Amino acid sequence: GAVVSQHPSRVICKSGTSVKIECRSLDFQATTMFWYRQFPKKSLMLMATSNEGSKATYEQGVEKDKFLINHASLTLSTLTVTSAHPEDSSFYICSALHAGVYSNQPQHFGDGTRLSIL
Amino acid sequence: SQKIEQNSEALNIQEGKTATLTCNYTNYSPAYLQWYRQDPGRGPVFLLLIRENEKEKRKERLKVTFDTTLKQSLFHITASQPADSATYLCARAGAGSYQLTFGKGTKLSVIP
Repeated sequence: GAVVSQHPSRVICKSGTSVKIECRSLDFQATTMFWYRQFPKKSLMLMATSNEGSKATYEQGVEKDKFLINHASLTLSTLTVTSAHPEDSSFYICSALHAGVYSNQPQHFGDGTRLSIL
Repeated sequence: SQKIEQNSEALNIQEGKTATLTCNYTNYSPAYLQWYRQDPGRGPVFLLLIRENEKEKRKERLKVTFDTTLKQSLFHITASQPADSATYLCARAGAGSYQLTFGKGTKLSVIP
């Protein structure tokens, strides 16, 4: 149980393109999802916390107009990288928490999206 | 700020030996620590959680300790196998918080 599907797994596109990444909890409901960015040999950096039915909370230094997050249902959150540029190239990973669960519980991760902007 | 550090970037051990990975934290003790495994090109997979008031936690060949005096958690894999080769991440959260701060990870290579 607790499967999180992330799609697409890899995207290669031209500079200036907007890219949407989907994160779905397949067998549970998730009121809270997280979006991370990971650089090679670096830790996961939390970008934002996505709460179903409300605005996402962004970490310091993350541009909310650049990284649009929508969490319209209990099983789906999307991250849109708007007008992507080469510096946005990275590995983006989402995770989800079971609905009604707060602290002391593991996060369930998707398999990530490798974004490459040419 | 609350930091989490995994000072060993890589660890190589012989198959059958016990692998020990270290995670250190700064400032106040987190309410709990979590350990994840990450394979190349994949998302992390949860392994174990240990609470501040627990000294030790076990799951099959895995063991995690939490020493609030040393501000350290140790992660052990006994009878290691080549299939255990992966990057292991340590993560902390504060009391009442569900947000995690991750260490950089330690890449474990188990040599046959």
